[in-house]
Amino acid sequence: QVQLQQWGAGLLKPSETLSLTCAVYGGSFSGYYWSWIRQPPGKGLEWIGEINHSGSTNYNPSLKSRVTISVDTSKNQFSLKLSSVTAADTAVYYCARGIWGYCSGGSCYPRAEYFQHWGQGTLVTVSS
Amino acid sequence: SSELTQDPAVSVALGQTVRITCQGDSLRSYYASWYQQKPGQAPVLVIYGKNNRPSGIPDRFSGSSSGNTASLTITGAQAEDEADYYCNSRDSSGNHHVVFGGGTKLTVL
Repeated sequence: QVQLQQWGAGLLKPSETLSLTCAVYGGSFSGYYWSWIRQPPGKGLEWIGEINHSGSTNYNPSLKSRVTISVDTSKNQFSLKLSSVTAADTAVYYCARGIWGYCSGGSCYPRAEYFQHWGQGTLVTVSS
Repeated sequence: SSELTQDPAVSVALGQTVRITCQGDSLRSYYASWYQQKPGQAPVLVIYGKNNRPSGIPDRFSGSSSGNTASLTITGAQAEDEADYYCNSRDSSGNHHVVFGGGTKLTVL
């Protein structure tokens, strides 16, 4: 059974760097896209970015200048760094395993993507 | 386009059928996936791809798609289905960014 367990600092001051790590247990690390997703209090989900097992990244354009996602395949872990945080970055941050394409009932669907496994979420508060 | 649009709120009487929709140009190229989120919990995948349910998701949840609109249907809504629902797909502009809809708050009356 796949489990994602995440951790990191929950209280930051403005201008500091947010740092979170997500460990993957019970499944392969390769063949998936590993994403970070956040949710400000009372608001919807926002995708931050993703990385695959070989280290290729893809970031939300609105956050790209401040985001770095890295992977440590030896530990089955991936990490998020978000620099120069402000109060607007206060949110619950989730890590998630993305699957792009699947086969079912004899047919394959390459243009289907979904997140079946999520971390427990980490509330990160930015306050002076 | 990189936007997915959902109605902010929908209500349904207990035991009745409700459809939650998600609109966006990317849905002409990609299937949507759907997530249920209850307060204080991480999202849970309920529908993905053409119309697939992960293990443990009741068969009252189903998905469909037509043109630029994806739909999540709950047939015989239960009290425990009251939650926020989000759709998600890839951006069809060529950047392959992930996009989420703004979410729909489902109230079961």
